[in-house]
Amino acid sequence: QQPVQSPQAVILREGEDAVINCSSSKALYSVHWYRQKHGEAPVFLMILLKGGEQKGHEKISASFNEKKQQSSLYLTASQLSYSGTYFCGTEFSSGSARQLTFGSGTQLTVLP
Amino acid sequence: DTAVSQTPKYLVTQMGNDKSIKCEQNLGHDTMYWYKQDSKKFLKIMFSYNNKELIINETVPNRFSPKSPDKAHLNLHINSLELGDSAVYFCASSRDLDRTEAFFGQGTRLTVV
Repeated sequence: QQPVQSPQAVILREGEDAVINCSSSKALYSVHWYRQKHGEAPVFLMILLKGGEQKGHEKISASFNEKKQQSSLYLTASQLSYSGTYFCGTEFSSGSARQLTFGSGTQLTVLP
Repeated sequence: DTAVSQTPKYLVTQMGNDKSIKCEQNLGHDTMYWYKQDSKKFLKIMFSYNNKELIINETVPNRFSPKSPDKAHLNLHINSLELGDSAVYFCASSRDLDRTEAFFGQGTRLTVV
């Protein structure tokens, strides 16, 4: 059950804001967010555990609505360095059964 | 100091050959993974090991055989390579099965010709 990400791609000007959404058809235990720049490895941004929390990482924050089985990643006042593909990863249970299933990614391009 | 390192970075080989990719992590993590990223950037888990024990074995052809000699190493051996095996393979590690934030290696781009 791969999570669904939207939009598939977004183009911004430096300083603009963006929201990337991730939704699941199954109840979630946690949501991860990663950023992958072209030709590089994915880099962990943050994890949100069930409980409806919101987290922040510089000007990047995320929320998790476990009732709606959705998470959103908020990029505020975007910088050129934010360009890349953003992946959400979802886990449905805890313990040894935890398995990260990634969405198809959202390609974010920040232009000067 | 590279946290998760894979070798080789690039691998070009002919169909039918057998090849291995090595992965080592120096983070002291208990859990290691292999992921495959295809040409459409879809990132899919293949295997996970916790303290050398196989935890997850996704629907992967049995031509793929992981081996974990100790908890810092997880190697991937592929037999009888096929064109469809061409992809980027990422090794990753996490602290344990409860702290699953993944740290990825730089990837191995495998091209089967």
